[in-house]
Amino acid sequence: DQQVKQNSPSLSVQEGRISILNCDYTNSMFDYFLWYKKYPAEGPTFLISISSIKDKNEDGRFTVFLNKSAKHLSLHIVPSQPGDSAVYFCAASGITGGSSNTGKLIFGQGTTLQVKP
Amino acid sequence: EAGVTQFPSHSVIEKGQTVTLRCDPISGHDNLYWYRRVMGKEIKFLLHFVKESKQDESGMPNNRFLAERTGGTYSTLKVQPAELEDSGVYFCASSPLTGFLYEQYFGPGTRLTVT
Repeated sequence: DQQVKQNSPSLSVQEGRISILNCDYTNSMFDYFLWYKKYPAEGPTFLISISSIKDKNEDGRFTVFLNKSAKHLSLHIVPSQPGDSAVYFCAASGITGGSSNTGKLIFGQGTTLQVKP
Repeated sequence: EAGVTQFPSHSVIEKGQTVTLRCDPISGHDNLYWYRRVMGKEIKFLLHFVKESKQDESGMPNNRFLAERTGGTYSTLKVQPAELEDSGVYFCASSPLTGFLYEQYFGPGTRLTVT
């Protein structure tokens, strides 16, 4: 049973416009949500995170929004740049089943973003 | 500072053979994780070491997979015997004990192809 889902496999936007990547989750016990970015032939790199007690976190061009009632989060990139073209993974972590949190990340399938010049 | 390194970058083996993947974490990182991505799907957690101790191996698919972390430094993941469904990209990640728990530093991965 997949707990984190990214239903859009790909997204294409024009340079300078906004990119919005979406993610849904099922487990209300998650306490942190993260976005990782991955270029071809490289490992994922941490981009931005949000605690479950917040609804927005901003870092430069990147903003993550969390809607706990809908179990939904999104990543906004404004303005989008060609160098942002990559696969973006949504991930979640938290205390589940009563065990202590070890940092185990639960990832979605990824969304491939293409930013066209 | 060197990043997480993984060896080999690509391995092609036949069903039934044995393969050992190696991960060298960032120096000083006591947390070490193994993940796997199969056929463009989600990246799945396999297990977590703190130093040489296994903290969580709930994601290991079955007993054909054996992970070790000798002396709390590098780690190996052995698959024996390999099956077709083991094909995928195996990522290793590390992080320090202090700091933000969820900012993990990933290696480039080992692409395993079982034919």
